[in-house]
Amino acid sequence: SQQGEEDPQALSIQEGENATMNCSYKTSINNLQWYRQNSGRGLVHLILIRSNEREKHSGRLRVTLDTSKKSSSLLITASRAADTASYFCATEGGSNYKLTFGKGTLLTVNP
Amino acid sequence: EAGVVQSPRYKIIEKKQPVAFWCNPISGHNTLYWYLQNLGQGPELLIRYENEEAVDDSQLPKDRFSAERLKGVDSTLKIQPAELGDSAVYLCASSRMEGEQFFGPGTRLTVL
Repeated sequence: SQQGEEDPQALSIQEGENATMNCSYKTSINNLQWYRQNSGRGLVHLILIRSNEREKHSGRLRVTLDTSKKSSSLLITASRAADTASYFCATEGGSNYKLTFGKGTLLTVNP
Repeated sequence: EAGVVQSPRYKIIEKKQPVAFWCNPISGHNTLYWYLQNLGQGPELLIRYENEEAVDDSQLPKDRFSAERLKGVDSTLKIQPAELGDSAVYLCASSRMEGEQFFGPGTRLTVL
């Protein structure tokens, strides 16, 4: 079963625009992670935010976490064609380091 | 550092045949994971190893799937016999402990 659920399922934008993807989950977590997957590089870790953090930045990425709403968002600023990929949120809960992935958002950045 | 290595990258077999996938994790990573990813879905955990011990295999279909991690380094995932529904991408990942997991390129299995 998949805990995280990304929204929207697909997003198409122009180069230079910002892209926002959302993730909702159901149970308590230790941390939430975002991964990117494209055919060229496989599944790559982008950023991790812990349950006691509310916002985190990494380069053009900004992640927020609202544990009261059990939701997270990933913002990619000034998007590039190379950002075209599927983006997954994954939650880690309990003591077993198990990651539970959502179904992903397919982002297309048009040049 | 070298990434997670998986082989083969692609495998086509007929149903009822056996198949095996191999994974070499990043050096020093004690934790190794096998995931299954269906088209349009996120990865789903099959089994997790801490060193050579399988600490979470609750999602592994044990009637036909088996895995081993001898000496706590390389790992092999086997399916015997394969069914049509097993067609998917099989991903291996490794990590030190909690947090970021490093994924291999995956093996795309097609069962005819």
